[in-house]
Amino acid sequence: GAGVSQSPSNKVTEKGKDVELRCDPISGHTALYWYRQSLGQGLEFLIYFQGNSAPDKSGLPSDRFSAERTGGSVSTLTIQRTQQEDSAVYLCASSLGPSSGNTIYFGEGSWLTVV
Amino acid sequence: GENVEQHPSTLSVQEGDSAVIKCTYSDSASNYFPWYKQELGKGPQLIIDIRSNVGEKKDQRIAVTLNKTAKHFSLHITETQPEDSAVYFCAASNYGQNFVFGPGTRLSVLP
Repeated sequence: GAGVSQSPSNKVTEKGKDVELRCDPISGHTALYWYRQSLGQGLEFLIYFQGNSAPDKSGLPSDRFSAERTGGSVSTLTIQRTQQEDSAVYLCASSLGPSSGNTIYFGEGSWLTVV
Repeated sequence: GENVEQHPSTLSVQEGDSAVIKCTYSDSASNYFPWYKQELGKGPQLIIDIRSNVGEKKDQRIAVTLNKTAKHFSLHITETQPEDSAVYFCAASNYGQNFVFGPGTRLSVLP
């Protein structure tokens, strides 16, 4: 597709369940980012993938959060044993890679509600 | 690590007036500064960006200025219209790696 695609767009899950959020980056983009945005708040960095390099996981808030990127394209963010404080919009973004001026383009987000 | 501050957090202007949003950053190695507009229920969209070797950039009613010495950059919107109402985020990046975002400014353009 032309832009970053995320699914599901909305997810309601029960506390304690695991969830998977998917991101399809723009074709040809080697860098992929996950951010979290709580209601009315800013963008919190979670994880960054660049090509075949080891991902920068410095933003993951706990070991319940993990992400992988298969074949250098699609990425899945997994949240295990969800808690109510995990409720937020999870935004994926991609770019051409680490170079000055290569901006990131966001998807529409996956809105997660933990009840 | 990088820290980006953004002011004001909310801004209301009359239609046709100008709006200015200011950001400061802490890491002198940052060299790329994009601005994003986020409408309700949507992902952020790039509206303008500036590299560290440029002091000002314009695109129609939108302009961005950068002062590397003072480590601050600003977004200027002239002749504001109701459709400019949204949340605006600034960001700083070092060679396209980790983008650090400001907390956002909620702009309301009153008709």
